[in-house]
This record gives sequence, C-alpha cells and structure tokens, in this order.
Amino acid sequence: QLQLQESGPGLVKPSETLTLTCTVSGASISSTSYNWGWIRQPPGQGLEWIGSVYKTGTTYYNPSLKSRVTISVDTSKNQFSLNMRSVTAADTAVYYCARPKAAAAWDYWGQGTLVTVSS
Amino acid sequence: QSALTQPPSASGSPGQSVTISCTGTSSDVGSYNYVSWYQQHPGKAPKLMIYEVSKRPSGVPDRFSGSKSGNTASLTVSGLQAEDEADYYCSSYAGNNFFGVFGGGTKLTVL
Repeated sequence: QLQLQESGPGLVKPSETLTLTCTVSGASISSTSYNWGWIRQPPGQGLEWIGSVYKTGTTYYNPSLKSRVTISVDTSKNQFSLNMRSVTAADTAVYYCARPKAAAAWDYWGQGTLVTVSS
Repeated sequence: QSALTQPPSASGSPGQSVTISCTGTSSDVGSYNYVSWYQQHPGKAPKLMIYEVSKRPSGVPDRFSGSKSGNTASLTVSGLQAEDEADYYCSSYAGNNFFGVFGGGTKLTVL
C-alpha cells in the first residue's frame, strides 16, 4: 500500500526558506511514471497546487509560486522535497505531498503538515 | 490561473440527492476531461471521489457521480448519508502542465 509522509519544521520565520520532505513507502519513485506533487491549504481555505516532479527531475510549477519554489527528487532515498523561499504569513498552510492517478487526480495523499510562518 | 467557482454551501436531507457545480473556463474545465472531485472531512487529507469527469476510484460508493457540460462540471451525491457531510472540492487540469486548478470548496450539510 502506497504511503506518503511529510516531514519538516512546523514554524518558519518570515523571509526564510520553508523546506519539506515527502518520504514514499510501498512503491519506488524510480519505478513509476507518475509525477509527485505538493499541494497546500491555508487554514480554513481551499487547496492550491504548488508543483510536481517526475523521477527524472523534470519539474512543473504553479506560475503564481514559480519564482519562489523548487521541488526536487532523491530516488535513492525514495523522497521528494519542497523548498519555498522568502516566505510570508500568507504561506502559512497545511502542506500535503500527493501522487496522482491521472492528470490532476490526486489519489494518494500524505497526512499533511502544518507550517506556520511567524517570527 | 483563476480558481474554479463552486457554491460555498449545499445541503440535503438523508436519502435525498444534491448536486454541486464547478464552473471554470474554456482553458480548463471546458478543454479537458480531467475534472476531479475530492471529499475532505475536518482535519483530514482530501479523498479522491471522482476523476476524469465521471470515473470512480475503487471503493467510492456509486452514490457519487460526476458529469460535465461545457465549462461546468457537477458532482451529484444520491441517497445522502450522514457521513457525506464534508467539504467538497473540484479540480481540473489546466493545460501547459498545470496539474490542478481547484475550486474554492463547497460545504455539504446533511440536514
């Protein structure tokens, strides 16, 4: 059974970099053709796709976040990561890692991790 | 990419049917049969209920169905049950490797 687990600090200071890692178990990132994605949800608000990465390292980003985001993959550790630079309070959200079943159809999700941006 | 438009709330009594709409544009919902619907209970991760407009993942009851007409997609929940009370989000592929423009969510209340 595929499982995803986010990890990283729950508190980040404004202007600093948010770094999260998603560890995949039950399947090998390097053996699938799926992309792996990050999606966030500010408290009490809706969902926002941040970006996706393929096993090859090819990445695609939401244009609204592209200038501040880098997503990378480490197939040897079966992990992929999110870096978001110059964060502000508006980046406070639950961050999910996920894998899609089809285009824009995210069927496997991590439990989510709340990241608060505050000094 | 602008968010898809959903009504903020919907409601129905047990056993009834309710339909939630999701309006996009000709650049997303109208152009691709890659519309998905998610159910989210408080404090939980979203759960995929419908993908590719009308397909149900394994384990999703057939009380949940999806459709699309033009730039508007719809989710219908038939035979409402108490456990269907949740937030529902639609999503669509938006081209150019934009893997998910989401709606603002609809809170479904089972009266």
